[in-house]
Amino acid sequence: RKEVEQDPGPFNVPEGATVAFNCTYSNSASQSFFWYRQDCRKEPKLLMSVYSSGNEDGRFTAQLNRASQYISLLIRDSKLSDSATYLCVVNGGGTASKLTFGTGTRLQVTL
Amino acid sequence: DAGVIQSPRHEVTEMGQEVTLRCKPISGHDYLFWYRQTMMRGLELLIYFNNNVPIDDSGMPEDRFSAKMPNASFSTLKIQPSEPRDSAVYFCASSPGTGGPEAFFGQGTRLTVV
Repeated sequence: RKEVEQDPGPFNVPEGATVAFNCTYSNSASQSFFWYRQDCRKEPKLLMSVYSSGNEDGRFTAQLNRASQYISLLIRDSKLSDSATYLCVVNGGGTASKLTFGTGTRLQVTL
Repeated sequence: DAGVIQSPRHEVTEMGQEVTLRCKPISGHDYLFWYRQTMMRGLELLIYFNNNVPIDDSGMPEDRFSAKMPNASFSTLKIQPSEPRDSAVYFCASSPGTGGPEAFFGQGTRLTVV
């Protein structure tokens, strides 16, 4: 079983739609969780951290369910510029120890 | 700060040749990571350093791969001899290692072994 699993997609949604991605992780001792965004042929960049209480950043909401070991990302009012691959990332513990990346979920927002 | 700097951006080499990828982390960052990304396997951690010391190299696929960090501002990933299956994008990332462990990535080196 992979340490971090994501549906690869692609998710094709119209502009303005709401879309949600889920991610599961296998290591119950994982401490930190993140969503990264990667544009085509670019490097991954941090989108947002994921906190136990859930957190929101504008149109983006991230949630963590430790009991079920999954993380979610919700994007409201999708924009064309949201088209990218979204990587679920888990830190196994400690300070800046191994960041394990999921293979990513590709989102394509269309007119 | 210029961010993480990798060179070369693109490398095309023949099978059997030695390839050296270079990385300059963000100044002051204590952690440096080497990742490899392919369509099939996604982003895989190859090795990471803390204060120039290799901490975990369990992701290095074979003895053909080696990485060094002679000082805080420079690291290399070497493949010798290279094989077509090594073709991928290789990313270097660095992290301050305090508080939020966000990793900052370089733009990557796209390696093609023919």
